[in-house]
Amino acid sequence: GAVVSQHPSRVICKSGTSVKIECRSLDFQATTMFWYRQFPKKSLMLMATSNEGSKATYEQGVEKDKFLINHASLTLSTLTVTSAHPEDSSFYICSARESLSGRRGDTEAFFGQGTRLTVV
Amino acid sequence: GENVEQHPSTLSVQEGDSAVIKCTYSDSASNYFPWYKQELGKRPQLIIDIRSNVGEKKDQRIAVTLNKTAKHFSLHITETQPEDSAVYFCAATYRMNSGYSTLTFGKGTMLLVSP
Repeated sequence: GAVVSQHPSRVICKSGTSVKIECRSLDFQATTMFWYRQFPKKSLMLMATSNEGSKATYEQGVEKDKFLINHASLTLSTLTVTSAHPEDSSFYICSARESLSGRRGDTEAFFGQGTRLTVV
Repeated sequence: GENVEQHPSTLSVQEGDSAVIKCTYSDSASNYFPWYKQELGKRPQLIIDIRSNVGEKKDQRIAVTLNKTAKHFSLHITETQPEDSAVYFCAATYRMNSGYSTLTFGKGTMLLVSP
């Protein structure tokens, strides 16, 4: 399958600072990337969907000024957690899909390896 | 938006038994239903998927069935093995107003296979 690389895998930051997480599709063009948050022993909670060249679509309850998403190219999307607080500590994971719906139909999403964020 | 319900949340079986995980979805326009397996500390991996134009798909010990009328789909694992132990997520494609689609996941099922 296709490869999605996410960095960093682990980050510890001080409360009040910002952290940037990168998600790259290495061997395909990702027109759509998804950002999820996962709590221990819990499901994947969709935070936002980012489409290359346009603004991200945030899920209800997710603060877009807090979680800045940029999808500037077909191979890179970034999530920036601004002014991080301990309650933002979590496992963040991205996934990417290759095609636009309606062109080739819906396709499999490939996941990055995730980022464990700890805010102290 | 799409709402995906998944049951059970935990499933314990003996090695060799079958395991069934069920999901329902709310958006009748959804047309793609993947199943992911997530082992502890690892990323979710696609194990099988089904599109709305078929009712059943099988891959060795894994099968998925889809009932579009009832809007539910199920994962069936036969002859379970300890290495099948993981969290399994179902998902459904939801088409947003922008024309792009997103994946909505169920809450997951922790499958424990005892030797």
